[in-house]
Amino acid sequence: KNQVEQSPQSLIILEGKNCTLQCNYTVSPFSNLRWYKQDTGRGPVSLTIMTFSENTKSNGRYTATLDADTKQSSLHITASQLSDSASYICVVSPSSGTYKYIFGTGTRLKVLA
Amino acid sequence: GAVVSQHPSRVICKSGTSVKIECRSLDFQATTMFWYRQFPKQSLMLMATSNEGSKATYEQGVEKDKFLINHASLTLSTLTVTSAHPEDSSFYICSASGVQDHTEAFFGQGTRLTVV
Repeated sequence: KNQVEQSPQSLIILEGKNCTLQCNYTVSPFSNLRWYKQDTGRGPVSLTIMTFSENTKSNGRYTATLDADTKQSSLHITASQLSDSASYICVVSPSSGTYKYIFGTGTRLKVLA
Repeated sequence: GAVVSQHPSRVICKSGTSVKIECRSLDFQATTMFWYRQFPKQSLMLMATSNEGSKATYEQGVEKDKFLINHASLTLSTLTVTSAHPEDSSFYICSASGVQDHTEAFFGQGTRLTVV
């Protein structure tokens, strides 16, 4: 069964600190893996997208890594800001020619001043 | 990235009434649009996939007569929640995939539906 699991479920850090969010998936084969940021009451916004052949992708203070062998991905946030408080969702696209993304349950990040 | 606009952002309706949610791709043509439902602290659940000019494909367990989807043009899809019940209260999100690039889908900002 195609699944995407994320950890931790929630995380609280102080402003300025770094953090790493984890994503494990069983989707196989897959086309790409994305990380989205979802603010409360808003739609998801894409942060990074990686194909199975890519190991890392950066977008400002966000850096995603992918290990296709172990089926793991991580999202590293550097020098966190209050505005980083949101849910971060890992999404995997199966390479089956459809657009049925497999969504993780997300990690809720809270950055405190 | 491309812009997908959803309207309204919030709506409150009475039980038994119907409510329509619009999803528009503002700067690209969307051959495929997706409708999701999200409960608090849960991830997005795909409800249906709609392709322009054809009937929507509903996920298992989603009532097609209750959640009417119309994708009449390449820039607009609508979701109508008919005979709404309080249990239909949820956050509804659409996403759209373009004609030129099928690898990316862009999300709307979501609609918070409250049925009282």
